[in-house]
Amino acid sequence: GESVGLHLPTLSVQEGDNSIINCAYSNSASDYFIWYKQESGKGPQFIIDIRSNMDKRQGQRVTVLLNKTVKHLSLQIAATQPGDSAVYFCAEMDNYGQNFVFGPGTRLSVLP
Amino acid sequence: DTGVSQDPRHKITKRGQNVTFRCDPISEHNRLYWYRQTLGQGPEFLTYFQNEAQLEKSRLLSDRFSAERPKGSFSTLEIQRTEQGDSAMYLCASSLSTGVQPQHFGDGTRLSIL
Repeated sequence: GESVGLHLPTLSVQEGDNSIINCAYSNSASDYFIWYKQESGKGPQFIIDIRSNMDKRQGQRVTVLLNKTVKHLSLQIAATQPGDSAVYFCAEMDNYGQNFVFGPGTRLSVLP
Repeated sequence: DTGVSQDPRHKITKRGQNVTFRCDPISEHNRLYWYRQTLGQGPEFLTYFQNEAQLEKSRLLSDRFSAERPKGSFSTLEIQRTEQGDSAMYLCASSLSTGVQPQHFGDGTRLSIL
């Protein structure tokens, strides 16, 4: 079946450094992916999305890269700030194009 | 704030009781989703509506769970005869239905079963 997973459950980075959070997916038919940020006690917050016809998309301080050959997705955060500390989820649109399958998440900790 | 709103934010109840949660989506969004999230895990899909029609239900949604969206606006999720395993965060999300769209989440209702 389809699944979304993450390589690293936790990631610690120094403030000001760049962060890279990785995600593997198994459904080669998926054509839409989203990265969400979830802070403690809050719901997931949309960060950036990408369609399968693209391999890179940039936002403000964030970049998502999609490698369809190896079914890998990554989120790059430039100049990581304390406010970036949260759990990050990648989500993959399911086969029916109606809802998302979420991975277990990566916790990002920003060290002063 | 015109985001997705959920009520209550927290619910503590005894095992065996019934509970009902409410979700108010973003006003122009005609799709509404319910997810369950346990500690350290990503959200798991439960069910979704397009307008007032419930179009899909997950196998996670046992017969003790029922969701409604009577007028195509707010939605309720009811859990009957709650069990310890129902303790979780219940998240609501909404989206537009044109093409593929990101889902926007509320801050959830945290349910604790004593």
